[in-house]
Amino acid sequence: AQSVTQPDIHITVSEGASLELRCNYSYGATPYLFWYVQSPGQGLQLLLKYFSGDTLVQGIKGFEAEFKRSQSSFNLRKPSVHWSDAAEYFCAVGGKAAGNKLTFGGGTRVLVKP
Amino acid sequence: DAEITQSPRHKITETGRQVTLACHQTWNHNNMFWYRQDLGHGLRLIHYSYGVQDTNKGEVSDGYSVSRSNTEDLPLTLESAASSQTSVYFCASSESSGADTQYFGPGTRLTVL
Repeated sequence: AQSVTQPDIHITVSEGASLELRCNYSYGATPYLFWYVQSPGQGLQLLLKYFSGDTLVQGIKGFEAEFKRSQSSFNLRKPSVHWSDAAEYFCAVGGKAAGNKLTFGGGTRVLVKP
Repeated sequence: DAEITQSPRHKITETGRQVTLACHQTWNHNNMFWYRQDLGHGLRLIHYSYGVQDTNKGEVSDGYSVSRSNTEDLPLTLESAASSQTSVYFCASSESSGADTQYFGPGTRLTVL
């Protein structure tokens, strides 16, 4: 069965500092990997996705993620955090073998200090 | 612009009542999904549909049902609401292929007293 682990429940970062959110997945075939962001009281918005090709993926709002098959990881990074990046971030895995169903991690809540 | 909407946005109901949450998408997507979001659990899949007249159970389907009579709508019904079903419910849709993005609605906050 597929699964996603986001080890960090909360992360606090200073505005302007770099951010890295960890995501480890388990999937028995070629994975499709996603990062979504959820602002308070809102639905989920796609930040970026990986399904093939270059393992370093660029997304919206200055985020990027790197797929490392050997480590079963898909960590999200941003070089310089803005106060508006305070939100909850979800990693998800899916793929053809899963019939386009996604399995989500438990989420990481990011707080940004001024 | 295409969108996915959910109604109501907030609902309070009593234990034992039947409740239906609406989901409507104008993307013309074949795939539609219902999730619930609870603290510490992320999003868990309740039911999903790959097209009209197709429905499938997800990870946490007990106590819920869906029907798909057209492409645009996938209503979620709680047959007899329980306090354990207090949650935030999200509907999503996507095209048919495995790499397609799921687009999410704004959510419905349901409280069962």
